[in-house]
Amino acid sequence: GAVVSQHPSRVICKSGTSVKIECRSLDFQATTMFWYRQFPKQSLMLMATSNEGSKATYEQGVEKDKFLINHASLTLSTLTVTSAHPEDSSFYICSASGTGYTGELFFGEGSRLTVL
Amino acid sequence: GESVGLHLPTLSVQEGDNSIINCAYSNSASDYFIWYKQESGKGPQFIIDIRSNMDKRQGQRVTVLLNKTVKHLSLQIAATQPGDSAVYFCAESYAGYALNFGKGTSLLVTP
Repeated sequence: GAVVSQHPSRVICKSGTSVKIECRSLDFQATTMFWYRQFPKQSLMLMATSNEGSKATYEQGVEKDKFLINHASLTLSTLTVTSAHPEDSSFYICSASGTGYTGELFFGEGSRLTVL
Repeated sequence: GESVGLHLPTLSVQEGDNSIINCAYSNSASDYFIWYKQESGKGPQFIIDIRSNMDKRQGQRVTVLLNKTVKHLSLQIAATQPGDSAVYFCAESYAGYALNFGKGTSLLVTP
C-alpha cells in the first residue's frame, strides 16, 4: 500500500516554542492531507483538511493561528504548533489520499509532542 | 451532532477464539466505512473497508458486516492471535470527506 511518513516521531520542546511536524507521501501524490490529534486512550479527532496549493480547512474549535498547516506540494504537508503549551502535548497523526480519492486514507506513524 | 461510537471499550479473548468488535454509527448518509488497528505509539493501520452498497466483506481472517437498517458495523477476527492485541477503531465518511472515528475498542488476546 501507499506509504506516508511523518517526522519527527517524537519531539520534546519547551513551553512557548514552536514545533514543525512534516508529513510526506513517499510513493504517491497526495492531493488531500488530513491532520488528526489523539490524546491518550482516546480516538482520533480531525483537526484540519489541507489541499495542495490552498488554505487548510479547520474543524470547529481548532485555532488556525496556533496550528499552522501548509500543503505546498503534492508530497508534503507540515503542521506547525506555535507557542506550544503543555496542553498541546498529544499524538499528531497525518493521513493522505491520492488522486481519485475513494475514501481510503493512508496514515503516517504519528508524532508524539511533549511540551514541558 | 452525528457521531460514531463503539459498544464495548475493552474486549478480552483467548488465543484461537473468534473476536467480534461492534460499532454503531448515527449518520445514515455515511457511505464508506473502515476498520483500523492501532498499536501503542503507532498510527492507525488499515484492516478492511466496506461501502454502503455492501453488507459483508471478507479479508484474511477478518470480516466486516454492515447493517444499514440499524446503523451497525462489526469486525470479526477469526482465530485471534496475540498479535491482534491492539485498539480497533471504526471510521465512517460521507461523500469522500474526512473520516470520523469512533471511540475505539481495546482488544486483549490472552494465551
